[in-house]
Amino acid sequence: DAGITQSPRYKITETGRQVTLMCHQTWSHSYMFWYRQDLGHGLRLIYYSAAADITDKGEVPDGYVVSRSKTENFPLTLESATRSQTSVYFCASRGSDSADYGYTFGSGTRLTVV
Amino acid sequence: GIQVEQSPPDLILQEGANSTLRCNFSDSVNNLQWFHQNPWGQLINLFYIPSGTKQNGRLSATTVATERYSLLYISSSQTTDSGVYFCAVEPGDDMRFGAGTRLTVKP
Repeated sequence: DAGITQSPRYKITETGRQVTLMCHQTWSHSYMFWYRQDLGHGLRLIYYSAAADITDKGEVPDGYVVSRSKTENFPLTLESATRSQTSVYFCASRGSDSADYGYTFGSGTRLTVV
Repeated sequence: GIQVEQSPPDLILQEGANSTLRCNFSDSVNNLQWFHQNPWGQLINLFYIPSGTKQNGRLSATTVATERYSLLYISSSQTTDSGVYFCAVEPGDDMRFGAGTRLTVKP
C-alpha cells in the first residue's frame, strides 16, 4: 500500500523495557520525522532524518534512539522506557524539492508505559 | 528557538459560520503548513504556504512572511471541520508546531 505506515498502532510496555516503533514510507521521501504528542504540549519533534544514514536531534531526543539504514524506514527505539514516555507517537515524511514539501503523517502509535 | 503562537486556543461555531485562525511566528521560515487533526487523531495536511494565498474549497490560507503571520479561513463551517488546527513552521530542516486551535462546530 502506498503511503506512510506506523506499527504497532497500540503498545503497552513495562518500565525499563526496550521498545521499537516502526515507520515505513513508500514515496522515497528523503526527509522523515518522529514527533510525540502529549496533552498540553502539542507536537514535539524527537528526531529527524534528511536522508539515509543522516539523523539529527529535535526538541526532545533524550531517551530515544533512531536509525535510518534504508530511505523508506525510520524506526524509533526507546532504550529503557519510562512512564514519562507514555504518549502518542507520529511519524512523518516529506520530499526534498519544493513541489513535495507537504508533510504526510502516519496514523500514530499510542504507547503506554506501565 | 522559534516561537509559534496560534489564536484563539478554542473556538466554538454554529454550522454555517465563518472563522479565521491566526498563526504568528517569531523568526523567518522556509516553510509553513496548516494541518487539521480530526477527532480520531489523524493529521491531515491542508496547505503548504510559505507565502501568498491559496484556496481549497471552503478553506483558504494567507501567509505574510515579512510580517511573520499566517491566517487560515474556514467558510460555511460544517461539523466535519471540528478538530484541532495546527500551524507548523520550518526555520531550518525540521518543522515546529504551534499549540493548535481547537474548533468545535455545532449542528
